[in-house]
Amino acid sequence: AQTVTQSQPEMSVQEAETVTLSCTYDTSENNYYLFWYKQPPSRQMILVIRQEAYKQQNATENRFSVNFKKASKSFSLKISDSQLGDTAMYFCAFMKQKNTGFQKLVFGTGTRLLVSP
Amino acid sequence: KAGVTQTPRYLIKTRGQQVTLSCSPISGHRSVSWYQQTPGQGLQFLFEYFSETQRNKGNFPGRFSGRQFSNSRSEMNVSTLELGDSALYLCASSPVGENTGELFFGEGSRLTVL
Repeated sequence: AQTVTQSQPEMSVQEAETVTLSCTYDTSENNYYLFWYKQPPSRQMILVIRQEAYKQQNATENRFSVNFKKASKSFSLKISDSQLGDTAMYFCAFMKQKNTGFQKLVFGTGTRLLVSP
Repeated sequence: KAGVTQTPRYLIKTRGQQVTLSCSPISGHRSVSWYQQTPGQGLQFLFEYFSETQRNKGNFPGRFSGRQFSNSRSEMNVSTLELGDSALYLCASSPVGENTGELFFGEGSRLTVL
């Protein structure tokens, strides 16, 4: 079974600064996806960034980038130039890549990020 | 394109009652999955439906059930409610076939059991 671990329950950062959220996972699979999802207070969860395990290049989406280390099974999220709207719970998630199309996410426990002025 | 719609958004029930939650996926998305979110257990997979068939189920008792209709809308039902069923129930849809892995979530139905 796959497990996802987020060891930072809460983090805080000031506006315009950079913050890194940590995530480690355990799996025996070779083909999989990794995700960071953001859940703002009382709002829906949205995808921040996605990484396919077979790709060596780290994914980037504007101010968001990941540091993916397949050998050590770590997947950290870096948020640059933090904004107040980045305040949210951040979940790291794992999904096996399956041709059947069945998709199930395994989530970490989340990191609550507070961005202050 | 409208997002994933879940109804009702909030509801309060008492122990022993049953509840039905509804989810309308994004138009064209044929896979619908459900997750339970609680402070203690985090986000846990309940089940996933595709073409009206349950493809997989998480580790939940038989009191939790679901179904999917021909228009891909899905419902989940919880019978004989217990206090521990209080949670945010999230529905997610995905465009099966694109194999991107991305799920699109609704805002959730927050169930409180008294």
